[in-house]
Amino acid sequence: ETGVTQTPRHLVMGMTNKKSLKCEQHLGHNAMYWYKQSAKKPLELMFVYSLEERVENNSVPSRFSPECPNSSHLFLHLHTLQPEDSALYLCASSQFLAGTDTQYFGPGTRLTVL
Amino acid sequence: GEDVEQSLFLSVREGDSSVINCTYTDSSSTYLYWYKQEPGAGLQLLTYIFSNMDMKQDQRLTVLLNKKDKHLSLRIADTQTGDSAIYFCAESMGKGNLIFGKGTKLSVKP
Repeated sequence: ETGVTQTPRHLVMGMTNKKSLKCEQHLGHNAMYWYKQSAKKPLELMFVYSLEERVENNSVPSRFSPECPNSSHLFLHLHTLQPEDSALYLCASSQFLAGTDTQYFGPGTRLTVL
Repeated sequence: GEDVEQSLFLSVREGDSSVINCTYTDSSSTYLYWYKQEPGAGLQLLTYIFSNMDMKQDQRLTVLLNKKDKHLSLRIADTQTGDSAIYFCAESMGKGNLIFGKGTKLSVKP
């Protein structure tokens, strides 16, 4: 148990659906991250939030929309996804954004897009 | 460019030592990390090393860093079946940006 929880753990959706992934951290951290983990590819950093402001968007398509209402919660809103978006989506948090700050990961949401 | 390379598979017998290797490209990285991912789980931080260190030991884990060759290794002594997992090397690019390798799948045979 790392102190970072994600819901749901599994999600199946059609290409026309709208769904949201939720992440919550209980560590008092100030930075939160969304990663995508696809088979046979390195982890891809999608978004970074620091003190509730987005500081990084790694050329992610607009069908992925993050939201950080407070420093403990991070959402990823999904709409009109493609089958190639099927992957494990991992949330992480760290104390601050410095390169020295260790990131703690949640268990992930396994997303399947039909 | 930014690239972290790892071999994809390693198979060892229970009780042997495992050595997982990684090469990275950015010589300005300040921290390098090893994460472990068990099936169906997220990434668990195993250990990290600061770039001005050559070695770090933590119980059964030994990390060696060769900064000249940009080579990082993780040695697991007395490998157990519970160590079977995927091990990721990552380098810190600053501002929370970690670059991960593709992971090495460690299989431990009884």
